[in-house]
Formats: sequence, C-alpha cells, structure tokens
Amino acid sequence: DAKTTQPTSMDCAEGRAANLPCNHSTISGNEYVYWYRQIHSQGPQYIIHGLKNNETNEMASLIITEDRKSSTLILPHATLRDTAVYYCIVRVTGGSYIPTFGRGTSLIVHP
Amino acid sequence: SAVISQKPSRDICQRGTSLTIQCQVDSQVTMMFWYRQQPGQSLTLIATANQGSEATYESGFVIDKFPISRPNLTFSTLTVSNMSPEDSSIYLCSVARTQNTGELFFGEGSRLTVL
Repeated sequence: DAKTTQPTSMDCAEGRAANLPCNHSTISGNEYVYWYRQIHSQGPQYIIHGLKNNETNEMASLIITEDRKSSTLILPHATLRDTAVYYCIVRVTGGSYIPTFGRGTSLIVHP
Repeated sequence: SAVISQKPSRDICQRGTSLTIQCQVDSQVTMMFWYRQQPGQSLTLIATANQGSEATYESGFVIDKFPISRPNLTFSTLTVSNMSPEDSSIYLCSVARTQNTGELFFGEGSRLTVL
C-alpha cells in the first residue's frame, strides 16, 4: 500500500471548517483513500473513504485531487469534540491487506 | 458497523508475567488484526489473526512473545508473554467485515502497564 504524508498538527477555531491535507503521491489506480480519527483514550474511528470521486457523509467530506496524489478531509463546522488525531491511509480493496497507520495529524479545535 | 468488546480495558501487571487480552465481535468478520500503540505514538500492526491457523506476524513481532488465537469468526485473543516495562502500551483489536471492505472497526483498547 502507498505511503501517506500528513502535517503533524493543525488547529482550528470552533465552528469553522477544518481542512486536513494528506499527500499520497505514490498511490496506484486501485488504491482507496481512507480516513480515521482517534479521540484521546479511545479506539480509532472510521470517518470516510473514496477512490477518485469526492465523497460526503454525516461526519465529513473527502476531496480527492484529479491526479489522486493528494486529498483533503473537511470537517465543515468543527466542534471541540473533533479534537483528535486524524489518520489518512491508502489501501487496495480485496488485495493482501496490511493496514498500516502513519503518525497522523493532531487537530486541536479551540473555542 | 461492528461492535467490538475488549477485555480487560486496563491492567497493571508485574514484570515476567503474561496477560491475555480478549476481543469479541458482535458479528462474523473475515479480518481481525491486533495493534499496539505505545505512549504518544501511532498504531503499529502486530499481526493478522487467522481463523483456524497461525497468525501472520509483522516484522519485529514473534509468536513466542505475542501468541494469538482465533478459534472462530467472532473471537480472538492476544497474549503478551513474559512482560517487561517496555510492553506497557495500549493493545487494540481491529476488524474488517470482509477482505473487500476497507473500513476498519476498533475496540476501545486494553491499556497495559507493566511494573
């Protein structure tokens, strides 16, 4: 699976949009982009995933660039409870699955 | 989604002892994984738990230290053997419903402190 690069930390004001970038320049055509988050002292939580089209669910939106080399997770109206470490990973669906996590982005939402 | 229950949620153990962590899923799943998360660090995959056969270990992890069982599609155990303070970590069970679905679901973790 391709490797990902994320900023170590970001901060965002409550009520504003949080835009978390992820670089996956070596992604191959059959690899999906997945996002998870881990709130302190909890297990990671799945957020969203996509292949090449933009995706939206009740938690977030995922914007994938046309060349698929990067993506952005958008939390449209961040709350204090969105403070967490956000992980971006890529994987091939149906292939040999070795889900590995990088260091992620520590997002702090402040009042 | 899948509901995952891990036991114990936390424990304090003495050096040289062993502890077995249980992972119970509320439905059958194809893939089960065990991760370790050391303080302030990201998740490191220990192994893939295979039903009815030996687990597949990642580099740096061996069966003698981390024996894993998976007797069926809803249950797995991880044992941390002959513990040392360096084994103090959070151990997480994770599942994927099928090999073709990428979403992982995680338990709340088992926080282990070795004195």
